[in-house]
Amino acid sequence: AQRVTQPEKLLSVFKGAPVELKCNYSYSGSPELFWYVQYSRQRLQLLLRHISRESIKGFTADLNKGETSFHLKKPFAQEEDSAMYYCALSGSRDDKIIFGKGTRLHILP
Amino acid sequence: DTGVSQDPRHKITKRGQNVTFRCDPISEHNRLYWYRQTLGQGPEFLTYFQNEAQLEKSRLLSDRFSAERPKGSFSTLEIQRTEQGDSAMYLCASSLEHRETQYFGPGTRLLVL
Repeated sequence: AQRVTQPEKLLSVFKGAPVELKCNYSYSGSPELFWYVQYSRQRLQLLLRHISRESIKGFTADLNKGETSFHLKKPFAQEEDSAMYYCALSGSRDDKIIFGKGTRLHILP
Repeated sequence: DTGVSQDPRHKITKRGQNVTFRCDPISEHNRLYWYRQTLGQGPEFLTYFQNEAQLEKSRLLSDRFSAERPKGSFSTLEIQRTEQGDSAMYLCASSLEHRETQYFGPGTRLLVL
């Protein structure tokens, strides 16, 4: 079954502390993995995708096929990072995206 | 171009009524997607189009739901005989081509009383 699991509904982190949002997936094949973000009162937007291997707004995510994980990390949290984060995947043959339930990241001052 | 737009942004209707939502994708985007998001959940895929062709429909899309993209530009999603369980945020997204980034609209929030 195709599934994305984000075990934390809410994560509170102090400003300047490291952030790690966990994501595990289940997919038979080679999926593409994404992180989407939704800031308050804004639309859902792509943060990063694993094939691009970019660092966006200081965030990185490494695909670990052995552990089927795609955790999102940032070394030093900033207040503007407070948002809802969704881990997601799509298959190699289609475009539909399967989302996790999301983790709300709250950066404490 | 200001991105994907959706209309209306909010809709309140009574159970049993029909509703129709519109999505205008980014111009020249060939692919258009519909998702549904309920409280506490991530978006769930409903259907998508390549130009005017509907390529895939989720089993979530019951017979009461129909989507069209008649000229390969805007799309409509109609829900007939609405039920309270249809209350959700309906999201539209578009992408330039297969495997390209999907850009999301602001959504239409539906409340069925």
